[in-house]
Amino acid sequence: DAGVIQSPRHEVTEMGQEVTLRCKPISGHDYLFWYRQTMMRGLELLIYFNNNVPIDDSGMPEDRFSAKMPNASFSTLKIQPSEPRDSAVYFCAWRTLPHSPLHFGNGTRLTVT
Amino acid sequence: GQQVMQIPQYQHVQEGEDFTTYCNSSTTLSNIQWYKQRPGGHPVFLIQLVKSGEVKKQKRLTFQFGEAKKNSSLHITATQTTDVGTYFCAGGYGNKLVFGAGTILRVKS
Repeated sequence: DAGVIQSPRHEVTEMGQEVTLRCKPISGHDYLFWYRQTMMRGLELLIYFNNNVPIDDSGMPEDRFSAKMPNASFSTLKIQPSEPRDSAVYFCAWRTLPHSPLHFGNGTRLTVT
Repeated sequence: GQQVMQIPQYQHVQEGEDFTTYCNSSTTLSNIQWYKQRPGGHPVFLIQLVKSGEVKKQKRLTFQFGEAKKNSSLHITATQTTDVGTYFCAGGYGNKLVFGAGTILRVKS
């Protein structure tokens, strides 16, 4: 979908290193979501923001994960320290209204060795 | 908890055969959405169902929402090789969208 840029596309890092994933919705939006996708767990909702405010972070695995949205056009997901089990594809997605479609970015494929 | 069960996990069909995937929630949904993800790609929105008993069609795809708003199905008539991918349902619980595990569809030509 056009409208969401994620960077980097691929990230390979060693266990214990800090990883920062970035999401930049092109258009204005009200809701921003971070999902993680693995073969074992499928698409898991990690956290979502409404008007830049975190609303539900119950899906964040543990304290090693944190997410911020300093403004309406930028969000980050940080993992510190990273572990091999964090290896996954991380997607951000946005939508304008509570029940409108989600628009996904191309994802970041993270590999932690 | 908020969980959407989706079956089957995997289906391999001959081109021209039909395909169906099913989703079920233990609690009532506000809406249900369907997405398709091609290998190596990201989920792409297909359709949304909101009303009890709603049926929508997109060419060879038929989507249904159960009367109790707890289950849904996607049916593809006469599959084509372009239909390959993973089909996800996503149940709406308030503002949250919880995805099913997805059904991987492979089509033999």
